[in-house]
Amino acid sequence: QKEVEQDPGPLSVPEGAIVSLNCTYSNSAFQYFMWYRQYSRKGPELLMYTYSSGNKEDGRFTAQVDKSSKYISLFIRDSQPSDSATYLCAMSGLNAGNMLTFGGGTRLMVKP
Amino acid sequence: ETGVTQSPTHLIKTRGQQVTLRCSSQSGHNTVSWYQQALGQGPQFIFQYYREEENGRGNFPPRFSGLQFPNYSSELNVNALELDDSALYLCASSSEGRDWGTDTQYFGPGTRLTVL
Repeated sequence: QKEVEQDPGPLSVPEGAIVSLNCTYSNSAFQYFMWYRQYSRKGPELLMYTYSSGNKEDGRFTAQVDKSSKYISLFIRDSQPSDSATYLCAMSGLNAGNMLTFGGGTRLMVKP
Repeated sequence: ETGVTQSPTHLIKTRGQQVTLRCSSQSGHNTVSWYQQALGQGPQFIFQYYREEENGRGNFPPRFSGLQFPNYSSELNVNALELDDSALYLCASSSEGRDWGTDTQYFGPGTRLTVL
């Protein structure tokens, strides 16, 4: 079993829809949780960064962390075709430096 | 402020050969991490360098080695290439000291390595 599980999709939604992306994890040492967006043939781009449990909002994006359930989510409101990409969740522990453990990524397609 | 750059963009090698990939960190960053991303998978941590010293290593064999230079640029070397080494190799830079929880990592565009 992988440390971080993520549904690979693809997830196809119409423009304007609310998108929910999720990851589960097994390592209770993870304290830092990140979401990256990766366009085809590009490097990952950091979208959201959350420490421990709670919610964080940035524009159309909301990240949620539930450490008791070992479950994190990314919500995208008013989705746009330009949001079509692969979304990767990533995590690190308190003293793990910057070693990130990634999920496998969810491919999102937003149709006009 | 310049971003993370990597070279070359693409590379084709044959099994058993050796390869060197290069990364220039974002200006002001003293830490570089390397990741391997197989097709359809998430990136996997190879190792990290902080001020020219290895500061953590993932589950990769010793034929994966690295260097970080005084200007914080970095190299990833892979010896005795295997077919399974075909992947996108990503470099990420950040700016912190040792034993920190995390810091924003900025990724380069990657080098796509094909091993035939």
